[in-house]
Amino acid sequence: GAGVSQTPSNKVTEKGKYVELRCDPISGHTALYWYRQSLGQGPEFLIYFQGTGAADDSGLPNDRFFAVRPEGSVSTLKIQRTERGDSAVYLCASSLPVLGSQFFGPGTRLTVL
Amino acid sequence: DAKTTQPPSMDCAEGRAANLPCNHSTISGNEYVYWYRQIHSQGPQYIIHGLKNNETNEMASLIITEDRKSSTLILPHATLRDTAVYYCIVAIGGATNKLIFGTGTLLAVQP
Repeated sequence: GAGVSQTPSNKVTEKGKYVELRCDPISGHTALYWYRQSLGQGPEFLIYFQGTGAADDSGLPNDRFFAVRPEGSVSTLKIQRTERGDSAVYLCASSLPVLGSQFFGPGTRLTVL
Repeated sequence: DAKTTQPPSMDCAEGRAANLPCNHSTISGNEYVYWYRQIHSQGPQYIIHGLKNNETNEMASLIITEDRKSSTLILPHATLRDTAVYYCIVAIGGATNKLIFGTGTLLAVQP
């Protein structure tokens, strides 16, 4: 596809459950980012991948959050033992190595009941 | 914390120029000024960025003061579709830049 895609677009889960959110970056973009956005706030950085490795995971709030990018393309954000406070829109972005203007996907809206 | 200060909201008449200010008085010499916007229920969209020179593209112009402590994003002929939250961000250039978003400016273009 032409842009960054994210699936699912909406996810409703119960407190304590495990969820996986998927991001397909633009083809050829080696850098991939995850952000999350709470209502009325700007996006908050979570983690950045360069290729397959997490180059900066300083934004992950705690060890319930984990992300992988095993082949350097698709990435999965994994959240264990979800809490109501995890409810937010999770955004993925990708960029080229040079002049890294980031291209964002439409986001996954996660609701934890 | 965000390194920029923006007004929380602005109005602009359709067809007129929209001038969105941003203060970034603590910007470092190797940091660029980036502008993104977010239309309701969509992901942020890159608009433009610059280091110290003024920049123009098909979407907007970016004016950076000589001391680099502030900048202005100019949408030359605003349309209703330009209604969005506009974020001014300072970040080191290149693919390693994690973007630190503030709360941005909600620009409402009025018919």
